[in-house]
Amino acid sequence: DADVTQTPRNRITKTGKRIMLECSQTKGHDRMYWYRQDPGLGLRLIYYSFDVKDINKGEISDGYSVSRQAQAKFSLSLESAIPNQTALYFCATSGLAGTAGELFFGEGSRLTVL
Amino acid sequence: AQTVTQSQPEMSVQEAETVTLSCTYDTSESDYYLFWYKQPPSRQMILVIRQEAYKQQNATENRFSVNFQKAAKSFSLKISDSQLGDAAMYFCAYNGADSNYQLIWGAGTKLIIKP
Repeated sequence: DADVTQTPRNRITKTGKRIMLECSQTKGHDRMYWYRQDPGLGLRLIYYSFDVKDINKGEISDGYSVSRQAQAKFSLSLESAIPNQTALYFCATSGLAGTAGELFFGEGSRLTVL
Repeated sequence: AQTVTQSQPEMSVQEAETVTLSCTYDTSESDYYLFWYKQPPSRQMILVIRQEAYKQQNATENRFSVNFQKAAKSFSLKISDSQLGDAAMYFCAYNGADSNYQLIWGAGTKLIIKP
């Protein structure tokens, strides 16, 4: 089984629908992240969490919300999806503080908003 | 704002040959980390190599090595003896105090391996 699991892997939805992307990890890491990947733009940070009680906005948090249900679970929600939220979404974890921490990624959730 | 620039959207190399992917970054920090990640068609991002800025020695991982030029703020990735399995998107990333210890990513370089 994968260390970082994202569901769903692919989802097509309509404008205005609420969508939740889920992430669970078995690495025992405290730090979890949600990124968005668009062609030609690399990865951009949406939200990150250093523990269950610590949630922080990233570079592009508008239109998104998150929930850290447990150390191992971190969900990303789009309350009212819009077409420019069509992208590949990644969950990642890290076990180290500061600058040295390697990120461990899930396989991504491809979201299409029509 | 901190930026990471990968100026080559796409590169191709013959199998068994050597290829170098370029990355430049902008920072006023003296201590930071730089990373190269690989994203194969399976989509999952995988760490290839990591360089600590205060270490002068270039990092090496098997066929992968970096040319870290701190003064020039350049961090290129060299892949020797290219293999078909190296075909992927490669992303350069920076992590430092001035990015609030969050990774700043380049736009990526698509590497094509010709058999």
